[in-house]
Amino acid sequence: SQTIHQWPATLVQPVGSPLSLECTVEGTSNPNLYWYRQAAGRGLQLLFYSVGIGQISSEVPQNLSASRPQDRQFILSSKKLLLSDSGFYLCAWTPKGSLRAEAFFGQGTRLTVV
Amino acid sequence: AQTVTQSQPEMSVQEAETVTLSCTYDTSESDYYLFWYKQPPSRQMILVIRQEAYKQQNATENRFSVNFQKAAKSFSLKISDSQLGDAAMYFCAYRSDIIQGAQKLVFGQGTRLTINP
Repeated sequence: SQTIHQWPATLVQPVGSPLSLECTVEGTSNPNLYWYRQAAGRGLQLLFYSVGIGQISSEVPQNLSASRPQDRQFILSSKKLLLSDSGFYLCAWTPKGSLRAEAFFGQGTRLTVV
Repeated sequence: AQTVTQSQPEMSVQEAETVTLSCTYDTSESDYYLFWYKQPPSRQMILVIRQEAYKQQNATENRFSVNFQKAAKSFSLKISDSQLGDAAMYFCAYRSDIIQGAQKLVFGQGTRLTINP
């Protein structure tokens, strides 16, 4: 069966510090990968998605970047965090070629920038 | 661009009663998918139910059912016989019907559902 792992679960970082959140998927190959952010009391907003290694698409201009160094690994990064980067970050994956398929989400990372 | 609107930030219901959560969306596409996701306090997003736009029959999953009104662009979720474990944040989501590329979801703002014992 497929699983998705996301870490860390909680992170408190000072303003101006770097960020690296990691997400890995097991049990499948060539998935579509996504990073969503959930601000307090709001819905999820798509930040980045990737359809293959090294292929990154950004949905919202921001202080963050994403990379996909391996087929099932997706990384969210920042060189210098801003207070506005605080939020709940969710990684997700979908299989290719299945229109009915749901998105499967990781457990999320709560990021607090202080 | 597609948008999804959930006009009820919070809802509450007595245990064993029925509750309906509202969702409207805006799109110019004719084929798409709609989802309801549940986010309990653990924050894990869990799929509750999905609806293909080309299907006229409303989807049902045990105690969960939808009222899909394509012309009105409305997609409400009905929870019957509410249980304490149903307490969560519920998100309505839209996805285009695409074959290639990413299957991007557009989410509503969410409705927080409280179950009163």
